[in-house]
Amino acid sequence: QVHLVESGGGVVQPGRSLRLSCAASGFTFSSYGMHWVRQAPGEGLEWVAFIRYGGSDKYYADSVKGRFTISRDNSKNTLYLQMNSLKAEDTAVYYCAKDDPRAGYDYWGQGTLVTVSS
Amino acid sequence: EIVLTQSPATLSLSPGERATLSCRASQSVSNYLTWYQQKPGQAPRLLIYDTSNRATGIPARFSGSGSGTDFTLTISSLEPEDFAVYYCQQRSNWLWTFGQGTKVEIK
Repeated sequence: QVHLVESGGGVVQPGRSLRLSCAASGFTFSSYGMHWVRQAPGEGLEWVAFIRYGGSDKYYADSVKGRFTISRDNSKNTLYLQMNSLKAEDTAVYYCAKDDPRAGYDYWGQGTLVTVSS
Repeated sequence: EIVLTQSPATLSLSPGERATLSCRASQSVSNYLTWYQQKPGQAPRLLIYDTSNRATGIPARFSGSGSGTDFTLTISSLEPEDFAVYYCQQRSNWLWTFGQGTKVEIK
């Protein structure tokens, strides 16, 4: 079955960088687009970024554009989120999610917590 | 950016009652409206896509309707496991947005 496992979260100071990973299994990773979605403590869901199956096309929410970079390594079945110039408002649980072009985000990881604090 | 507004923020109901959740878009999203359920400490789960199509394994008591800018998620008879937060989501021009969520709580 499909498994998505995020890693790389932790506590980081404002202005520093962090890279999240999402290891995928149970489906043909190279055939599907992938998303990052975040959820601040006690808040709702916020879409962060999307990368198409081949990796050439990427899209970002305005709140992270220019600071975050989504990428993937289809040979390793792994999705990444490089987060630079982190701010306190980036504190959240970050989920990776598989995109079904017709049906939305059909599988989600369990999330990894990023805390930006001095 | 298309803004989704969900109402009410909280719905207090008893098991067996009918739940009606609303999602309004700031401009037409055609039928590209998706609903997710999230329970505390868990990742969201896909419920309904393209306004009215149930995802795999979703019980028939969940149904979706609407078009354009106004959408509804209906739970015909609440089961104990249905008390959760529900989010609507749209996709348009390679940007995705979520509503702020409706919490369905036990009365």
